Amino acid sequence: GESVGLHLPTLSVQEGDNSIINCAYSNSASDYFIWYKQESGKGPQFIIDIRSNMDKRQGQRVTVLLNKTVKHLSLQIAATQPGDSAVYFCAENIGGSYIPTFGRGTSLIVHP
Amino acid sequence: DAGITQSPRHKVTETGTPVTLRCHQTENHRYMYWYRQDPGHGLRLIHYSYGVKDTDKGEVSDGYSVSRSKTEDFLLTLESATSSQTSVYFCAISESGASGRYEQYFGPGTRLTVT
Repeated sequence: GESVGLHLPTLSVQEGDNSIINCAYSNSASDYFIWYKQESGKGPQFIIDIRSNMDKRQGQRVTVLLNKTVKHLSLQIAATQPGDSAVYFCAENIGGSYIPTFGRGTSLIVHP
Repeated sequence: DAGITQSPRHKVTETGTPVTLRCHQTENHRYMYWYRQDPGHGLRLIHYSYGVKDTDKGEVSDGYSVSRSKTEDFLLTLESATSSQTSVYFCAISESGASGRYEQYFGPGTRLTVT
């Protein structure tokens, strides 16, 4: 079947580089944001989240930055590895809603 | 990994036949969701459940119905499958949000082909 990564913006990087994946979210009332990673043939997997009262949150090799002024979210991956190759989605939740809005995703390709 | 399974994982069916997909969780999470994923469209919500026997429609619910008779099981039924329902279907679960977190955990997906 056709890959979920087709028709998506693509970011190609070399192994060891830092990657930055961007997401413009839609609703200024959104107060909770999540990044998901989806490898080929698998379901999306939670990576990291951030609340709207924060500007930055760090995890293991990943950092999420939130700019509420311009409704922009970014995911930074340090020392990108071939295993990071996947589609990355952002999602936003509004005020306790259990129904997130998903972005279209970005396909990250890491070249050895 | 969260305990979510989907069955079947692959299915080929003919137009006009009924199809039921099953999602089973072992996490005792309150919320369960069915999404479809198609190239160029991302994840689109079909139906969701906020408790046993409590369900609601998502953005692409036409042609689909759901049932949840137990906390752990959420069934998606295509009453009369059409070729436009060829897709990959994902089940997801999430907690009650008491911690202020609403992340979802996804199953492995079911690839459905309607011929």
